[in-house]
Amino acid sequence: NAGVTQTPKFRILKIGQSMTLQCTQDMNHNYMYWYRQDPGMGLKLIYYSVGAGITDKGEVPNGYNVSRSTTEDFPLRLELAAPSQTSVYFCASSPGTGGYTGELFFGEGSRLTVL
Amino acid sequence: QQPVQSPQAVILREGEDAVINCSSSKALYSVHWYRQKHGEAPVFLMILLKGGEQKGHDKISASFNEKKQQSSLYLTASQLSYSGTYFCGANYGGSQGNLIFGKGTKLSVKP
Repeated sequence: NAGVTQTPKFRILKIGQSMTLQCTQDMNHNYMYWYRQDPGMGLKLIYYSVGAGITDKGEVPNGYNVSRSTTEDFPLRLELAAPSQTSVYFCASSPGTGGYTGELFFGEGSRLTVL
Repeated sequence: QQPVQSPQAVILREGEDAVINCSSSKALYSVHWYRQKHGEAPVFLMILLKGGEQKGHDKISASFNEKKQQSSLYLTASQLSYSGTYFCGANYGGSQGNLIFGKGTKLSVKP
């Protein structure tokens, strides 16, 4: 019953450093997402993928990159970390297909602080 | 494209009812509702597809008015466990699989 697994849960970065947030799901879902959540601002979509090899930008993609080489994994790469990227990051997956999104299953979140 | 939620916050006494609205300026394919408790991940409540259907789960139900491009979440006889932030997510369909969330409505239920 793993569902969506995110690592790490907490991380502190220095300005200019890079890192990758890992996300794995074991439900064979087509769709995967990365959201960031800042206090009082809701969930902002960073990138999403509708299947292996297919990714697309969401609302706030600048400063991030993703890849989807397998159905299970959807890592989020932060290049040249900035204080503005301090946030809680949620990965999610859904059994969507053909534009129908379906229920989102969220990971527990990764809290990132950039100092 | 971000849907607009109202109100931003609401405080209830146990047993009272509440309505949370979610409006879009763009045609919706489906609307999702999620609840998030402090420090936790959002949890799925329900999906409404265009067509105006109404769904319910226990004492929480929702409707989707396609003409107005608006969904409403109804919480009846609220319980302490209903406290949290409620988010609506908009799916605009087509070939897109993305879900855009509103800013959320913070619900506090007091004894």
